Amino acid sequence: GAGVSQSPRYKVAKRGQDVALRCDPISGHVSLFWYQQALGQGPEFLTYFQNEAQLDKSGLPSDRFFAERPEGSVSTLKIQRTQQEDSAVYLCASSLGGGGTYEQYFGPGTRLTVT
Amino acid sequence: QQQVKQSPQSLIVQKGGISIINCAYENTAFDYFPWYQQFPGKGPALLIAIRPDVSEKKEGRFTISFNKSAKQFSLHIMDSQPGDSATYFCAGHNTNAGKSTFGDGTTLTVKP
Repeated sequence: GAGVSQSPRYKVAKRGQDVALRCDPISGHVSLFWYQQALGQGPEFLTYFQNEAQLDKSGLPSDRFFAERPEGSVSTLKIQRTQQEDSAVYLCASSLGGGGTYEQYFGPGTRLTVT
Repeated sequence: QQQVKQSPQSLIVQKGGISIINCAYENTAFDYFPWYQQFPGKGPALLIAIRPDVSEKKEGRFTISFNKSAKQFSLHIMDSQPGDSATYFCAGHNTNAGKSTFGDGTTLTVKP
């Protein structure tokens, strides 16, 4: 079956622009996670949804970052007034159950480059 | 605060050899320790995971060894193959918090 998909795969933004990154989780998956992966590093947790509820947003670096999952399926990560330090790969993952299971299925990521 | 430390940063192994990647953690709230494999341009894929009350778990050529008292765990890849060349991440997962904390990764190259 289809895995987690993300779009766009690549995004170049000028500093100060707003961007929106989309995640389509595996159908029926309850939990959805966003991670930020800097070059040469492991993914870092940003936020976690269970259905439409955002249960944890403690990893969002600043109030310029906003995530939503209004109908409990597709999620969008929005970054306002992008800065060069926002350049990274943004990974989305989903899992079947709620309860914060470790069994997460990752998408291919969106590589954001801020110039 | 780096809660999961991974070593080595890179590893070169001959085909048929054993690849060993080590991790150490600090957060005792972690209740699962998964390993992920990531190929260039792809997202991480779950390989194998272990609970802290188990000392070893084996799946095919992949084995996790876990030392709870030392807060260390390692991944062993037996009979390493060129197709295993990828970046490997260890992680600590806190089910209550619903979040995983990853190490910085090990780039494995298996030479034919």
